[in-house]
Amino acid sequence: AQTVTQSQPEMSVQEAETVTLSCTYDTSENNYYLFWYKQPPSRQMILVIRQEAYKQQNATENRFSVNFQKAAKSFSLKISDSQLGDTAMYFCAFVRWGAQKLVFGQGTRLTINP
Amino acid sequence: KAGVTQTPRYLIKTRGQQVTLSCSPISGHRSVSWYQQTPGQGLQFLFEYFSETQRNKGNFPGRFSGRQFSNSRSEMNVSTLELGDSALYLCASSFQSTDGYTFGSGTRLTVV
Repeated sequence: AQTVTQSQPEMSVQEAETVTLSCTYDTSENNYYLFWYKQPPSRQMILVIRQEAYKQQNATENRFSVNFQKAAKSFSLKISDSQLGDTAMYFCAFVRWGAQKLVFGQGTRLTINP
Repeated sequence: KAGVTQTPRYLIKTRGQQVTLSCSPISGHRSVSWYQQTPGQGLQFLFEYFSETQRNKGNFPGRFSGRQFSNSRSEMNVSTLELGDSALYLCASSFQSTDGYTFGSGTRLTVV
């Protein structure tokens, strides 16, 4: 069974700073996909970024980038130039190729202070 | 295009009752999944449907059931409600799971 661990329950940074959220996972699979989702107080889970395990290049979406270390089973999210609107719960998630079930970490509550 | 729509947004039910939640996926998405979110257990997978067939089911009691219609809309039903069923129920749709799922805003169920 796959597990996803987010070791930082809460983080807080000042606006415009850079913040990195950690995620590790455990799997024996070789072909899988990793995601970071954001859940603001509105409750809707929003896909932030997606990484394919067979691609060595780290995914980037505007201010969001990942550091994917496949051998270490690590998948951290870096938010650059943080904004007040980035305040939310962030969830790391895993799905193996061919499966339909997302496995989520426990989440990190990120607060951006003005 | 329209996102994933879940109705109702809020629901209050009494122990022992049953409840039905509805989810309309993004047009063209045939896969619909349901998740339960609680502060203690986090996000847990309930089940996934594709073309009206349940392909995968999580570790929940038989009181939790679902179905999908020919237009890909899905419903989940919880019978004989217990206090522990109070949670945010999230529906998600996808063209294929590896693309990542698009979630709805959820239904907040409170059992009293």
